[in-house]
Amino acid sequence: GENVEQHPSTLSVQEGDSAVIKCTYSDSASNYFPWYKQELGKRPQLIIDIRSNVGEKKDQRIAVTLNKTAKHFSLHITETQPEDSAVYFCAASIRGDNDMRFGAGTRLTVKP
Amino acid sequence: DAGITQSPRHKVTETGTPVTLRCHQTENHRYMYWYRQDPGHGLRLIHYSYGVKDTDKGEVSDGYSVSRSKTEDFLLTLESATSSQTSVYFCAIGAGGQGEQFFGPGTRLTVL
Repeated sequence: GENVEQHPSTLSVQEGDSAVIKCTYSDSASNYFPWYKQELGKRPQLIIDIRSNVGEKKDQRIAVTLNKTAKHFSLHITETQPEDSAVYFCAASIRGDNDMRFGAGTRLTVKP
Repeated sequence: DAGITQSPRHKVTETGTPVTLRCHQTENHRYMYWYRQDPGHGLRLIHYSYGVKDTDKGEVSDGYSVSRSKTEDFLLTLESATSSQTSVYFCAIGAGGQGEQFFGPGTRLTVL
């Protein structure tokens, strides 16, 4: 089955700096890549997703890029704020397959 | 939060006892999922349902069973709980395919 690896496991940045989290996947048939944010003690929530027919997607301060050839995708957060502090999970799934595979998560800390 | 609740929210039980967790939705979504969340593993799919009485296994289904007798309820049963099943369990709902999944608040289960 699909295997998703996520790096780094922890990331600390200064407020206003950018943060980048990277994920790689193993199955070239994967074509949907969501990112979820989980604040401490809360439920995961979708923040952005991308499908394999596009290479980049932006939503205000967050963006996701996809490199299908290399089988990796990344989350970029610009102008980080303390409220961006959370655990971020990437995931990958194959069309028609409901078994979405998640990465192990990245704990992002934004220091004021 | 997307009309999804879980009960109980916390449970402590002993090895060998049966445990049932309940997920209830008011959104009339066709798909419902059970995940477990453990440090270093992200979210892993246990079972999912694509309709009343229609269920399928996920990545980590051993030791778990599910039932869905109504659109709004999805039950997860541990027939004989083991310490390795100590985890946080999240239910999620969605339209299926490759779209957003909405997560419940989670159930923290401790098996002693």
